[in-house]
Amino acid sequence: RKEVEQDPGPFNVPEGATVAFNCTYSNSASQSFFWYRQDCRKEPKLLMSVYSSGNEDGRFTAQLNRASQYISLLIRDSKLSDSATYLCVVRASGTYKYIFGTGTRLKVLA
Amino acid sequence: NAGVTQTPKFQVLKTGQSMTLQCAQDMNHEYMSWYRQDPGMGLRLIHYSVGAGITDQGEVPNGYNVSRSTTEDFPLRLLSAAPSQTSVYFCASSRDTGGEQYFGPGTRLTVT
Repeated sequence: RKEVEQDPGPFNVPEGATVAFNCTYSNSASQSFFWYRQDCRKEPKLLMSVYSSGNEDGRFTAQLNRASQYISLLIRDSKLSDSATYLCVVRASGTYKYIFGTGTRLKVLA
Repeated sequence: NAGVTQTPKFQVLKTGQSMTLQCAQDMNHEYMSWYRQDPGMGLRLIHYSVGAGITDQGEVPNGYNVSRSTTEDFPLRLLSAAPSQTSVYFCASSRDTGGEQYFGPGTRLTVT
């Protein structure tokens, strides 16, 4: 089983839609969680960290469910510019290693 | 701030050649790391450093060396290039070992 798993998609959604992605992780000692976005042939860019209580940044909401070992990303009112690959990143407690999921591809359609 | 810079942007090597990918950051970050990204496999950690003079292996270290003589620089050396090392290489840094990472623009390497 992969340490961090994501549905590769693509998720094709119309502009204005709400879309949610999940990311599951296998190490219960995982401590730090992040969402990154990556545009085609570009470097990953930090979208948001994920905190235990959940957090929101504009149209984006991230949640952590430690009991079921997954994090989620909700995007409201999708824009064409949200089309990208969304990467989930996890770091286990006691390690210096960040583990990346393979990403979920989102296409927002006009 | 330039952030994280990487050179070169593109490189073609022949099998057996060696080269160094450069990475520098001007944010005084302690943690730096190198990843490779291959289709369908996500980013995989090659080596990382938690500070000047301290490096350690990641998930896929074979065929690569690193050193960290200063806080700013973290070069990645390919000792004897192989076609399996054809990939996109990203360098990243973070203020500390648990925080958000910031990535350089990447180096696209082809080994023929």
